[in-house]
Parts: sequence; C-alpha cells; structure tokens
Amino acid sequence: KQEVTQIPAALSVPEGENLVLNCSFTDSAIYNLQWFRQDPGKGLTSLLLIQSSQREQTSGRLNASLDKSSGRSTLYIAASQPGDSATYLCAVILFDYKLSFGAGTTVTVRA
Amino acid sequence: GAVVSQHPSRVICKSGTSVKIECRSLDFQATTMFWYRQFPKQSLMLMATSNEGSKATYEQGVEKDKFLINHASLTLSTLTVTSAHPEDSSFYICSATLGDPKNIQYFGAGTRLSVL
Repeated sequence: KQEVTQIPAALSVPEGENLVLNCSFTDSAIYNLQWFRQDPGKGLTSLLLIQSSQREQTSGRLNASLDKSSGRSTLYIAASQPGDSATYLCAVILFDYKLSFGAGTTVTVRA
Repeated sequence: GAVVSQHPSRVICKSGTSVKIECRSLDFQATTMFWYRQFPKQSLMLMATSNEGSKATYEQGVEKDKFLINHASLTLSTLTVTSAHPEDSSFYICSATLGDPKNIQYFGAGTRLSVL
C-alpha cells in the first residue's frame, strides 16, 4: 500500500525566504506525481504535474523535483510572499489512476 | 482550463436526513469522476470512482449503501449521504478527468457537510 508522507507538517517563514517542502512515498511504481495548493476550506488547485520519466518541472517561482528511485519529491517556492500561505499537498498517481495524498504542509509566510 | 463545479459549498443538516452533493464538469465531458473525503488536518482519502453509465467502484471500507453515487451523464456525478450522522461530518471533494482516467484530475471547490 502506497504511503505518502510530507515533512514538515507546518512551516512559518518571513517574506522573501525560499520555501522547501518535502514529500516521500514508499512505492516507486508511480505513474505521475502532482503538487497541489489548498486554501482553508477550499478545493485543490493543481500547481505542478511531474511525469514519472521527468526529473523536474518549473512554473514561475515554483520548481518541483522528482527522484523516483529514492521515493522523494521536493517543491521549491522562491522568494515567498504572504499570498503563498496555504496548505501544499503532494499526491502520487498510481498506475490504476488513483491519487494517493500526503497530509500536507501548512505554510505561513509572515509579512 | 477545465472547470469543475461542486454544489453546495456548505450544508448543515439534522441527523437522519439525506444530503445530495453535485459535481459538474462545466466545459468538458468527464468520463471518470472521483469522490474524496477529508478530515481536518488529514489527507484526502479516495471514497469511490464513478464512471458514466456504470456503477461506482468503492474503496475498501466505504459503505456503498451509505454513500450513493450516481454518474448519469458525462458532466454530472452526485454523491448522496444517506441517513447522515454526526460522524459523517467532513469535507467532501470531487474531481473529474477528461478521457483516460490517468489524465490530470480537476478538482471541485469541495462541500463542507455538518450533521447536527
């Protein structure tokens, strides 16, 4: 059974600092990996999708890396802003198309 | 991008009543829709997979008679929580895919269910 772990559970940083969010998974047989953002009481916004054959994906200030062999992905957010405050979820997409989610990292960026 | 609408966003009901939650794909035909449940500070847990015109596939431990799923068209899936109890209070989120179920899932905004 695929287990997805996100560390730390919560993170508070001053504005301008770079953010590093970690995600680990137990079974490297994944189809894709996806990072989401969730604001309090809201649904999910997809940030980045990394295919299993890729090592990283970039979008603006966001960069996500994937190391399938070690079962790890890292989301980097450069020059954090207060608007980046949210919970960030990592999900691995299995070959039966189901998503297995981590519990998330709640980020607070202090102005 | 693809938009998934979920309604209602919040519902409060009395214990013993049934509640229906709708999930619509607004600008694409969703062959597959998924229903998730999220408890506070926990990850999303897949409840069931819904394919248009066929019976939903439920995950282990999810009561199919408790959580009725109907996917009557390519743009609409409904989740009905029957005879709701306070322990059913949770955040329910749907998602939809276009074509191959392994394609990217687009998520609704979620429904907060509170059972009194």
